[in-house]
Amino acid sequence: DQQVKQNSPSLSVQEGRISILNCDYTNSMFDYFLWYKKYPAEGPTFLISISSIKDKNEDGRFTVFLNKSAKHLSLHIVPSQPGDSAVYFCAASTGNQFYFGTGTSLTVIP
Amino acid sequence: EAQVTQNPRYLITVTGKKLTVTCSQNMNHEYMSWYRQDPGLGLRQIYYSMNVEVTDKGDVPEGYKVSRKEKRNFPLILESPSPNQTSLYFCASSLFWGGGLEKLFFGSGTQLSVL
Repeated sequence: DQQVKQNSPSLSVQEGRISILNCDYTNSMFDYFLWYKKYPAEGPTFLISISSIKDKNEDGRFTVFLNKSAKHLSLHIVPSQPGDSAVYFCAASTGNQFYFGTGTSLTVIP
Repeated sequence: EAQVTQNPRYLITVTGKKLTVTCSQNMNHEYMSWYRQDPGLGLRQIYYSMNVEVTDKGDVPEGYKVSRKEKRNFPLILESPSPNQTSLYFCASSLFWGGGLEKLFFGSGTQLSVL
């Protein structure tokens, strides 16, 4: 059973606007959450993370929000740029394993 | 340059012919792992290793073997590949400290086709 879910397979956003990618999880033991970005023919690359003791973490244009009561994670990209077009995976860790979502393909339209 | 190196990038083989995909990291990471990526299923963990000579099954270990004889290497072995193992494979490594895992670093991937 999928413990980490990304219910939107794709998302299209105009350049300069906000992109919001969502992720839900079921295991309350997850204590570390990450977002990865993947371009075709490349391995996933780390984007941003958040510990379960926080509810927000920012890094430049990227902000991750964690709502533990709702078991929900989101990634905000502001402003979106064409180079952000990629597949985004959310992931969660229990301490010795990572569990990944199915990915959301983001297209930023110039 | 810190990296995870997988070889080969592309591999076409036939059912039943044993193959090995190599993985090496130069970051002195304790933790290494293999994933497969399939459409609609995301990244699923095959096996992971917390340190030398310590390996554990992930979510989809059937049909795969691994070994961790050295800290830097973590090969994935398919003893008798079948068409349902056609997939994109990623090796990854991470620092492991007392409080848990750090972020994963991924290799570039191996596209395997089993005919």
